[in-house]
Parts: sequence; C-alpha cells; structure tokens
Amino acid sequence: DSGVTQTPKHLITATGQRVTLRCSPRSGDLSVYWYQQSLDQGLQFLIQYYNGEERAKGNILERFSAQQFPDLHSELNLSSLELGDSALYFCASSVLASGSYNEQFFGPGTRLTVL
Amino acid sequence: GENVEQHPSTLSVQEGDSAVIKCTYSDSASNYFPWYKQELGKGPQLIIDIRSNVGEKKDQRIAVTLNKTAKHFSLHITETQPEDSAVYFCAASTGANSKLTFGKGITLSVRP
Repeated sequence: DSGVTQTPKHLITATGQRVTLRCSPRSGDLSVYWYQQSLDQGLQFLIQYYNGEERAKGNILERFSAQQFPDLHSELNLSSLELGDSALYFCASSVLASGSYNEQFFGPGTRLTVL
Repeated sequence: GENVEQHPSTLSVQEGDSAVIKCTYSDSASNYFPWYKQELGKGPQLIIDIRSNVGEKKDQRIAVTLNKTAKHFSLHITETQPEDSAVYFCAASTGANSKLTFGKGITLSVRP
C-alpha cells in the first residue's frame, strides 16, 4: 500500500457526461500528479500540482481540468466524455515539487469506462 | 521532449533464472530513472530508482545500471520467482518538474 488513495475505483458513464476523480496524497506529500494509462498510449503524464498551485502540464485535453485543495487532496474533472477517454487514471504523490530526489508513489487508480 | 523506449515487450524466464530489461532515453538532461512494477488491477509500484550521478544500484535481488553516454539503463532481477511476474515500466525525468516519461512496459512471466 503506497498510502495514496483514489476514489472511486470504477466509474461507468455515458458519452457527453462529466465525472470527477478524487485523490488523497500520502501524508506529508505536497505534490500530486495525474497520469492516464491506456492500451495504445501507455502511461501519460497529465498534470502536476504542488501545494495548491499548478506546477506542470502534460498531454491534458482542454476538456480535462484539475485542482488541489488546501487539505492537499486533488480532483481531476473530465467533461464532455468521449469513448476514447476510457482508461485507467492514476494519481501519484511526492514530497517535493521537483528535483531528482523526488520519488513518486502511485495510487490504485480509477478505471473509467465511457459507453 | 523526452522519449523512453523499452525492450523487449515480453520476457519469459524460468524460475531461478535472471531477467534483464533494457530502456533507452533521448533527453541528455534526464537525471532520474525509476522502475515500476505493476500487477494486474493495481497501480505502479516503485521498486528501485537511480540518479545520474550513480552507475549502479542494488536492492536484494534487484539492480539497476545506468550508462549516461549511451543513454540507456537496465533492470536486473536475479533468482526470479513466480511473484516477480508483472508488467515492468521504466521512466525518466529531468528533475525540473518531476514529470515522468514512461516506456511502454514489458510483461515478465516467470515459469515455475
């Protein structure tokens, strides 16, 4: 158990809908990262937050947004869902914002299925 | 941006044998190279990592080597056991923002 929690574990929804994925980082970690895992694209970095502020952006669609709250939990919002958004979404956390001594620990993931 | 390639895509070994998984990276600024193990239905688990100022690191049956000149790094698992069967991902980061770029993953099967 990494100490990173994610809810829900599974999510099934329809095209065009909006969903929210939640992540709680390990105790003491200030950075939260979101990754998408799909069969064709592998594990792709979406976005990073550090202590409430957006730190880095990756291949995140404009239909997706995220935020980190004062208690450091983070939410990933996915809107106008398409079939291709079906994937595993992982949250990871680390102590620091950057640096090569900044190990990332992953949560168990949320499996999103768009029908 | 960074590109990480991982090969082979599948690897099958006999229990007790060694397994070696290789990765190459493209960005010479990358300085942090973690390895993750992912079991079915679970999130990636950090198993070992190496930084660019170190050439080799060991942790019990697992070791990682880094060749900065050739831009490749490898995971070595000795005395493999059936519970080592999983998907293994290599990744690289420049450390500037800790964004990890992952390889496509390799499925390791350890035959009893």
